[in-house]
Amino acid sequence: DQQVKQNSPSLSVQEGRISILNCDYTNSMFDYFLWYKKYPAEGPTFLISISSIKDKNEDGRFTVFLNKSAKHLSLHIVPSQPGDSAVYFCAARQAPVEWETTSGTYKYIFGTGTRLKVLA
Amino acid sequence: GAGVSQSPSNKVTEKGKDVELRCDPISGHTALYWYRQSLGQGLEFLIYFQGNSAPDKSGLPSDRFSAERTGGSVSTLTIQRTQQEDSAVYLCASSLQQGRGMGGELFFGEGSRLTVL
Repeated sequence: DQQVKQNSPSLSVQEGRISILNCDYTNSMFDYFLWYKKYPAEGPTFLISISSIKDKNEDGRFTVFLNKSAKHLSLHIVPSQPGDSAVYFCAARQAPVEWETTSGTYKYIFGTGTRLKVLA
Repeated sequence: GAGVSQSPSNKVTEKGKDVELRCDPISGHTALYWYRQSLGQGLEFLIYFQGNSAPDKSGLPSDRFSAERTGGSVSTLTIQRTQQEDSAVYLCASSLQQGRGMGGELFFGEGSRLTVL
């Protein structure tokens, strides 16, 4: 049962245009969402995050939108650059139930990734 | 170093052998995670440590997998009697203490690529 889904395995965008990467989730208890970028043979690097109480967070060229009613998350990159070509993972944090807060697990669940290719 | 350090970066082993993978988290990070990425797949959660304790071991694929963390710092993931399906990149991540209202992002190492022949 995949709780975090990235339905597009790949995306190609022209340099200078907007890249939109999408992510859907099923668990309404997720409290924090993140986007990571991964280059080959490297570990994922953190890009941007958003709390479940917000609907938008912006950092330079990167903006993350959260639609809680639709359980949908998106990452917008404007303008796209060739150096943005990488695999992008969305992730969601599952907090423990209230009574477990002193010792419970904060588990991060990742999607399967979308390979973005920005064409020069 | 400043980042999460993992060793070895590459490991080739024969089926049936035991392997140990090491993770040295960022200093001061109390939370530590192990993930696995098989070819063409996403990141699969294996285990989470808060300090030295692991409240959640549910992601470990089988009893051949175990992990420990000592001194609230270095962690070792051990795979006994390796099988070909264990071939993957094993990623370690650390963060500041997790908590409600504290959205600690995970900082990943570069991974240990395990190949079981």
